[in-house]
Amino acid sequence: DTGVSQNPRHKITKRGQNVTFRCDPISEHNRLYWYRQTLGQGPEFLTYFQNEAQLEKSRLLSDRFSAERPKGSFSTLEIQRTEQGDSAMYLCASSLSWTEGQYFGPGTRLTVT
Amino acid sequence: QQQVKQSPQSLIVQKGGISIINCAYENTAFDYFPWYQQFPGKGPALLIAIRPDVSEKKEGRFTISFNKSAKQFSLHIMDSQPGDSATYFCAASTGANNLFFGTGTRLTVIP
Repeated sequence: DTGVSQNPRHKITKRGQNVTFRCDPISEHNRLYWYRQTLGQGPEFLTYFQNEAQLEKSRLLSDRFSAERPKGSFSTLEIQRTEQGDSAMYLCASSLSWTEGQYFGPGTRLTVT
Repeated sequence: QQQVKQSPQSLIVQKGGISIINCAYENTAFDYFPWYQQFPGKGPALLIAIRPDVSEKKEGRFTISFNKSAKQFSLHIMDSQPGDSATYFCAASTGANNLFFGTGTRLTVIP
């Protein structure tokens, strides 16, 4: 499968714990995006990388959230001190160029109890 | 503030009918308008996209109509099938920047 992959697919954690998600983009895609989707809503942008550089962060990305993309390959999204409001589907997308569109992975479903 | 407004929220269509979903935007800097299909528990899948230099784009049973002056665009699904039952999202972006999504339309195609 050469699509975007995300791990884990599901994560249940207790409030206050830290969690980390991983995204592996489509090979050779230099742009990588993180979005968050809550039930019944469209995805909302969190942050964006071009290669290893984090170019943009949404105001939704509080200081408890951090994202990295070392060496411009896979990316990780970490949430520290999770809150119940963090419960959502976290989606990763990658693109080769803006003319080719963004391709999404299956997402990581986070439940904070 | 919702950058892209989508309607209807839900749509029921008979098999073989035409499904039409509409979106409107305000930001005239948007220059890329994709549509995504999402099944429960899955990530959004890119269906078709258009840029403002054309008024219509067709791929198989899916057609995007774009009205730049009205700042509106729509998705038409011809010969709708039960397998098309999913949630559809319109979106818009400026170049390679992040996508702004609509609130989604849940389509149900009745056999």
